[in-house]
Amino acid sequence: DADVTQTPRNRITKTGKRIMLECSQTKGHDRMYWYRQDPGLGLRLIYYSFDVKDINKGEISDGYSVSRQAQAKFSLSLESAIPNQTALYFCATSDFSGTEKETQYFGPGTRLLVL
Amino acid sequence: AQTVTQSQPEMSVQEAETVTLSCTYDTSESNYYLFWYKQPPSRQMILVIRQEAYKQQNATENRFSVNFQKAAKSFSLKISDSQLGDTAMYFCAFVNKNAGGTSYGKLTFGQGTILTVHP
Repeated sequence: DADVTQTPRNRITKTGKRIMLECSQTKGHDRMYWYRQDPGLGLRLIYYSFDVKDINKGEISDGYSVSRQAQAKFSLSLESAIPNQTALYFCATSDFSGTEKETQYFGPGTRLLVL
Repeated sequence: AQTVTQSQPEMSVQEAETVTLSCTYDTSESNYYLFWYKQPPSRQMILVIRQEAYKQQNATENRFSVNFQKAAKSFSLKISDSQLGDTAMYFCAFVNKNAGGTSYGKLTFGQGTILTVHP
């Protein structure tokens, strides 16, 4: 089974709808991240969490919110979806310590289309 | 500002040959980690190689190696004996290591280089 999973893998929604993307991990990492990928722009950070009680905004957090329900679960919500939020969304995790510290491991991505 | 520049939007190579992808970055920190990620058509982001900035020795992983020049803030990826399965978008990225800085723990990505391996 994959270490980092995302649901759904693909989603089509309409402008103004609320949508939640979910991420779960079995790697035991404390840190979790949400990124967005647009063509030609690489990946940009939306929100990140260093533990259950720590939530921080990334560079493009407007229009998004997150919830860290447990160490292993980190959800991203679009409160009122708009077409320019159409993108590929990735969840990632990393460990603070150990031989692979600061290395981020990514989920398979969620492709979101907002009509 | 934390930035990563990949100056080659697209590259191609023949199977079994060697190719080098370029990356330069800018950070005010002295302690950080650098990465190359691969994104094949399946869209999965796959870690290729990792380098710690305080280590002078260049990292290697099988056919993949890096040329890390800290003073020049350059981090290129060399792929030897290229295979068809190496066809993908390659992203260079770094994360600052020092606690307390606003960029701590956050990956900054370049825009990517599309690599095509031809048979």
